[in-house]
Amino acid sequence: EAGVVQSPRYKIIEKKQPVAFWCNPISGHNTLYWYRQNLGQGPELLIRYENEEAVDDSQLPKDRFSAERLKGVDSTLKIQPAELGDSAVYLCASSLVWGSSYEQYFGPGTRLTVT
Amino acid sequence: DAKTTQPPSMDCAEGRAANLPCNHSTISGNEYVYWYRQIHSQGPQYIIHGLKNNETNEMASLIITEDRKSSTLILPHATLRDTAVYYCIVRVRGAQKLVFGQGTRLTINP
Repeated sequence: EAGVVQSPRYKIIEKKQPVAFWCNPISGHNTLYWYRQNLGQGPELLIRYENEEAVDDSQLPKDRFSAERLKGVDSTLKIQPAELGDSAVYLCASSLVWGSSYEQYFGPGTRLTVT
Repeated sequence: DAKTTQPPSMDCAEGRAANLPCNHSTISGNEYVYWYRQIHSQGPQYIIHGLKNNETNEMASLIITEDRKSSTLILPHATLRDTAVYYCIVRVRGAQKLVFGQGTRLTINP
């Protein structure tokens, strides 16, 4: 079974430019998450989708960040315009939520460098 | 969600058991203890979870104290591939949000 796929793996852009990250979750997983991980820190949740609906986007900086999950499968996270402080690893995860014992499966992440 | 406290780093010799402690003194009765690890340049990977009983799977064992205020993740025969950052997370039953701390950086030495 294929894991969570993310692309690109690495991205270098200049500040004020736009950037987009793509995520393909594990087949059948209804819940999708985007996390940001700063250097030396643990991942922090940006947004969570249940199917197509964003059910928790309280940590998403909405002035410059946007996300979508069309048809409840793939998802795209966008930053426009990027700032120097956005340099981080952006992780996508998915899960099949049932009962109280679920697992989140993470992709390898996209390492963003803003210069 | 309850806060967890882990040592920032630990070392262990290859082939020996690695014991990673986690304090979660404010844990409540409906909160589970989860462990994830993150190998360099990869996303976090689920290891194990438990509520109050000790748990074991093919990767590790989880020992939770009777008062549930602390736990220990045990890797019984550590290998070089176990070098990673290990995160102890406490999560409310039914909640889907994982709150990561800074974890413990475990280094397995040959």
